[in-house]
Amino acid sequence: GENVEQHPSTLSVQEGDSAVIKCTYSDSASNYFPWYKQELGKGPQLIIDIRSNVGEKKDQRIAVTLNKTAKHFSLHITETQPEDSAVYFCAADTNAGKSTFGDGTTLTVKP
Amino acid sequence: GAVVSQHPSRVICKSGTSVKIECRSLDFQATTMFWYRQFPKKSLMLMATSNEGSKATYEQGVEKDKFLINHASLTLSTLTVTSAHPEDSSFYICSARLLAGTGELFFGEGSRLTVL
Repeated sequence: GENVEQHPSTLSVQEGDSAVIKCTYSDSASNYFPWYKQELGKGPQLIIDIRSNVGEKKDQRIAVTLNKTAKHFSLHITETQPEDSAVYFCAADTNAGKSTFGDGTTLTVKP
Repeated sequence: GAVVSQHPSRVICKSGTSVKIECRSLDFQATTMFWYRQFPKKSLMLMATSNEGSKATYEQGVEKDKFLINHASLTLSTLTVTSAHPEDSSFYICSARLLAGTGELFFGEGSRLTVL
């Protein structure tokens, strides 16, 4: 089955700096790669996603890049703000609709 | 976006009792819903896939008699933790998609279960 590895597990940045979280996946059949943000005591929420036919996608301060050959994708957050502090999960989905999640990255943005 | 509502958000029960958690899709119909368990500072562990009108599909290692799932309508799935024990204490989350196949998962707010 699919295996998703996520790094780093914790990340601390100064407000205004950029944050990068990386994930690798193992199943070449995976074709949808979402990123979810989870705040304490709440369910995850999608912040950005990318499909396998696209190499990069951007939405304001958030961007995701995908390298299908190397089977890795990354989340980039620029101009970080304290409200960006949360746990971020990457996931890889196959056509069957099964999502495999990374272990999560706890991002702390220091004011 | 679509809304998935989960209830209750917190529940405390005594050992040996059963607890039911509801997951509702408020503005869309979900033929499939997913149930996860999340331990502190850990990732989401898929427990089962709930299919409307049919039996749930459980992941390896998840006891189907312990965690009963019922998906009786296109907008409601329930998870019942039977004969709960302290080790069942956890954060339980459900999710659903607007369409079958791949695509954004809409998550409920989660239910914190504490078994005394």
